[in-house]
Amino acid sequence: ETGVTQTPRHLVMGMTNKKSLKCEQHLGHNAMYWYKQSAKKPLELMFVYSLEERVENNSVPSRFSPECPNSSHLFLHLHTLQPEDSALYLCASSQERTAGNTIYFGEGSWLTVV
Amino acid sequence: AQSVTQLGSHVSVSEGALVLLRCNYSSSVPPYLFWYVQYPNQGLQLLLKYTSAATLVKGINGFEAEFKKSETSFHLTKPSAHMSDAAEYFCAVSDRAGTASKLTFGTGTRLQVTL
Repeated sequence: ETGVTQTPRHLVMGMTNKKSLKCEQHLGHNAMYWYKQSAKKPLELMFVYSLEERVENNSVPSRFSPECPNSSHLFLHLHTLQPEDSALYLCASSQERTAGNTIYFGEGSWLTVV
Repeated sequence: AQSVTQLGSHVSVSEGALVLLRCNYSSSVPPYLFWYVQYPNQGLQLLLKYTSAATLVKGINGFEAEFKKSETSFHLTKPSAHMSDAAEYFCAVSDRAGTASKLTFGTGTRLQVTL
């Protein structure tokens, strides 16, 4: 059981589609993250939101657009993706300014771009 | 800048044998260090973390890791492997600065447990 839930778990989309990934955390945290996990590559940090403000954007292409309407919800809007964007997208959350700042992950959304 | 190196992308042990997964880090500041496990088709689950309170850290499922500053290492061990330990294990380092934690992950080690 996880305190971070992601929907959908699986998504297949065409290169011209627009879709969104949703994440909700039930842990009372104030920071949320999107990571990308591709085969044979380290997990890549995409975006970080702290207190609902984006504090990190790691040179992610504009076809990925994050949205954080409140501290419990995080979206990743997807638009005109490429096949190489197929990956597992992991949402995570943490409580800032606490020792250790453990990051808790959801189970991920598997994205296939066709 | 910080980085993590995990030696060995695949490790195979027999059930009941010692598990040793290696992790070396590089960090310009005293680090926080983490081990996460990922079972098939699941997200990452925290096994244990080092936050400078004690160099030997005990985690869930019988795993532990020892922080060795002189060797810049944080190897993960378990005395006796179980079939259910088969998974991918990720070592990660976090900086202590900034407004939000940012984990830098290693490339992962896939643990296989055989009968």
